[in-house]
Amino acid sequence: AQKITQTQPGMFVQEKEAVTLDCTYDTSDQSYGLFWYKQPSSGEMIFLIYQGSYDEQNATEGRYSLNFQKARKSANLVISASQLGDSAMYFCAMSSLQGAQKLVFGQGTRLTINP
Amino acid sequence: NAGVTQTPKFRILKIGQSMTLQCAQDMNHNYMYWYRQDPGMGLKLIYYSVGAGITDKGEVPNGYNVSRSTTEDFPLRLELAAPSQTSVYFCASQQGGENYGYTFGSGTRLTVV
Repeated sequence: AQKITQTQPGMFVQEKEAVTLDCTYDTSDQSYGLFWYKQPSSGEMIFLIYQGSYDEQNATEGRYSLNFQKARKSANLVISASQLGDSAMYFCAMSSLQGAQKLVFGQGTRLTINP
Repeated sequence: NAGVTQTPKFRILKIGQSMTLQCAQDMNHNYMYWYRQDPGMGLKLIYYSVGAGITDKGEVPNGYNVSRSTTEDFPLRLELAAPSQTSVYFCASQQGGENYGYTFGSGTRLTVV
């Protein structure tokens, strides 16, 4: 079974600062994917970034990067130069890459950016 | 493209009533999924489908049924609604294979009273 743990229920950050959201995972799969999603107050799920377990380089997408440490089973999201619009819930998720890629989600971190 | 369309957006049910949440995608994706999100929690998988005519249970299937008669549609049926089914329901689709991206619908907020 797969499990995602997000230990930060809430984070408060000043605008323009960088922020790291923590995510650890547990799986017995050899091949898996790690995802981060953003959920603003409007409720939709917005895909941010993906990291495959065999990818040697950390994934980056604009201001988002994923700090992947396989030995520690961690997949932290780093947001550089935070903006007021980054205030939202952030979910870490994982899936096996075999067959249907069913997502397992963590409980989320509520990020608040202060002006 | 419309992507993944869910209807209705909001619904209030009385205990014991039944309803069907509709989900349609126009991207010819093979995989479709239903998740529920309880307040302050992450999403949990209810049912999924790997193609027309093939469905399987996820983590929390009790009280729900699904069907997949076409590639496009994946309705979720609630029988005998209970207050524990008050949640936000998300449908999602995925091409599969090397394309790992999910497309989520906008969600259905269901309240059972």
